[in-house]
Parts: sequence; C-alpha cells; structure tokens
Amino acid sequence: NAGVTQTPKFQVLKTGQSMTLQCAQDMNHEYMSWYRQDPGMGLRLIHYSVGAGITDQGEVPNGYNVSRSTTEDFPLRLLSAAPSQTSVYFCASRITGRSETQYFGPGTRLLVL
Amino acid sequence: GENVEQHPSTLSVQEGDSAVIKCTYSDSASNYFPWYKQELGKRPQLIIDIRSNVGEKKDQRIAVTLNKTAKHFSLHITETQPEDSAVYFCAASRLGGTYKYIFGTGTRLKVLA
Repeated sequence: NAGVTQTPKFQVLKTGQSMTLQCAQDMNHEYMSWYRQDPGMGLRLIHYSVGAGITDQGEVPNGYNVSRSTTEDFPLRLLSAAPSQTSVYFCASRITGRSETQYFGPGTRLLVL
Repeated sequence: GENVEQHPSTLSVQEGDSAVIKCTYSDSASNYFPWYKQELGKRPQLIIDIRSNVGEKKDQRIAVTLNKTAKHFSLHITETQPEDSAVYFCAASRLGGTYKYIFGTGTRLKVLA
C-alpha cells in the first residue's frame, strides 16, 4: 500500500491564482480530512469527508473548496490564492468505527506571493 | 467550541532525562486521545494513544496517562535520546463515529546531547 499520497510537494503561486492540491489513499478509508499547519498554531482542520459525496467544513474553511467523488480521492481547491494561505497542507485518512489511527500524507508546502 | 490546550510549547531536556508534555481538553465526551510525533520536514505519525476506559498506557520508553475527572492527559518520555527531538501533538476525539480530531498546538522537544 502507498498509504496517503499528496501532490505536489511544493508549489509557488501568485496572489489570485487558483490550484488544486491532490490527495489519494489506497486503504479504503471512509474518513479523509485536510489540515493546514502554521508555526505555533498546530494542525487546523480545513474540510473533512466521511465518505464519497459527503463533505463538511472544519475550523478554517474560508478560501478552500473540496469534493469527494470517490473513496480514494479528496482534492483541495484554492479558488483565489492569498498570501495568508501560505502554509503546509496535510491530508489525512482513517477508518471510522474501528481503528481510530489517522494516517497523514507527506504534505504540500505552498507559498503564495 | 471544543479545544485542546497543550503545554509547554517548547521543552529542552538533557539526554537521559525524562520529558513530560501535558494537554487539557474541553469536550467531556472525548474518549480517545492520540499523540503524534512530527520530525522536521516530515508528516505527523502516531506514537501512542489511549482510550478513556484506561488511566495509563505504556510502550517501551513512552507512556500516556489520562485523568478524566480533570480532563487532562500527559505524554511521558523516559531516558530521552537525541532522536526523540521533534514536535509532539496531542489530540482529542470520540471513538466509533465520524468525529473530528481536535489537536493541541504542539510542543517542540529538544534533547541535548
């Protein structure tokens, strides 16, 4: 199993540009989520999904969209990038109802100029 | 809303000494408490977790204690080694469903050789 994969590893954007951060998992996990990590602020939840076709907002959803058309994929879209979105983004997944271990992807480092 | 407070934000110990990191949670319904270790430039990885039906759990040099009445839990690392240097995150959640993880803001542990 590849586990949780993310692409790209690093991206530079200009203010106002849009892009999609990709996340995929091959463990058949129902639950997937996106976090951003900023210095001194820990891991903050952006959006999450409990299964294909179901998504919900976390604590910092503004400026981001998600969709979940398949169990495996959970892309995060930045519609109009802002410097405040400069961060490291982690995707995570887990099985619900059994093991609660949450597995993280390797992260995407995003710089918005 | 629910939150998890984590202290200290930084911790320096001499190699061989013990390190203790403490977290306090607000949601009394939380019953699952994982700890993640994040090395520099890497993804967070689960190192130990505890469920609310036990008060302590050990795994070699790592232990976690839980006080449900006071709503706090702690990570204990004994005989610290340089490779223990990392950022540690606590989290609180509820088992068996689709509940979100609420993360603490992290503790940067430095083990001095």
